[in-house]
Amino acid sequence: NAGVMQNPRHLVRRRGQEARLRCSPMKGHSHVYWYRQLPEEGLKFMVYLQKENIIDESGMPKERFSAEFPKEGPSILRIQQVVRGDSAAYFCASSPDGVDNSPLHFGNGTRLTVT
Amino acid sequence: AQSVTQLGSHVSVSEGALVLLRCNYSSSVPPYLFWYVQYPNQGLQLLLKYTTGATLVKGINGFEAEFKKSETSFHLTKPSAHMSDAAEYFCAVRKDTGRRALTFGSGTRLQVQP
Repeated sequence: NAGVMQNPRHLVRRRGQEARLRCSPMKGHSHVYWYRQLPEEGLKFMVYLQKENIIDESGMPKERFSAEFPKEGPSILRIQQVVRGDSAAYFCASSPDGVDNSPLHFGNGTRLTVT
Repeated sequence: AQSVTQLGSHVSVSEGALVLLRCNYSSSVPPYLFWYVQYPNQGLQLLLKYTTGATLVKGINGFEAEFKKSETSFHLTKPSAHMSDAAEYFCAVRKDTGRRALTFGSGTRLQVQP
């Protein structure tokens, strides 16, 4: 079974450009979570999505950041007009449908560097 | 809302020594608790989880954790450290009632000395 797939692994953007991070959940998983990890820090929750729905976006910055999980295809985390402070590792996780105590399964992350 | 505190951002042990990584949580409802391990440049891998039932939970790679409600703790232990255990360890609690996202502690980096 393929795990959670994230691409690209590394992404370099100049200030002001857009960054698109993609995440394909594990087979059979319909819940996706995005987290951000700054250097020497833990993981900060950003957003939780099900297919075509945003369930919890309480951790998303109010501007420039958006996420979607369409009916077909991967989940996308989009960062517009990137700034140096957006440099971080972004992790996607997935879980099965309808299981509250299910652990999250993580991808290997996308490391975004803003120059 | 639930939260997690990991005491000690860095822990160093000798190979063969006991590993003890501390985690305390705050929760207004019975918590779901997790320990994850992160190796360099990789994602997080589940070590073990506590949901209900037995309070001593065994995980992969010889790790175990004990849920102590009276102490609001979920410390991670391993009797004998191995060099391959060097990594960062994160304790996590389900974010909030009815929400499936997890809240993570700030992590503990484990070093294993030969």
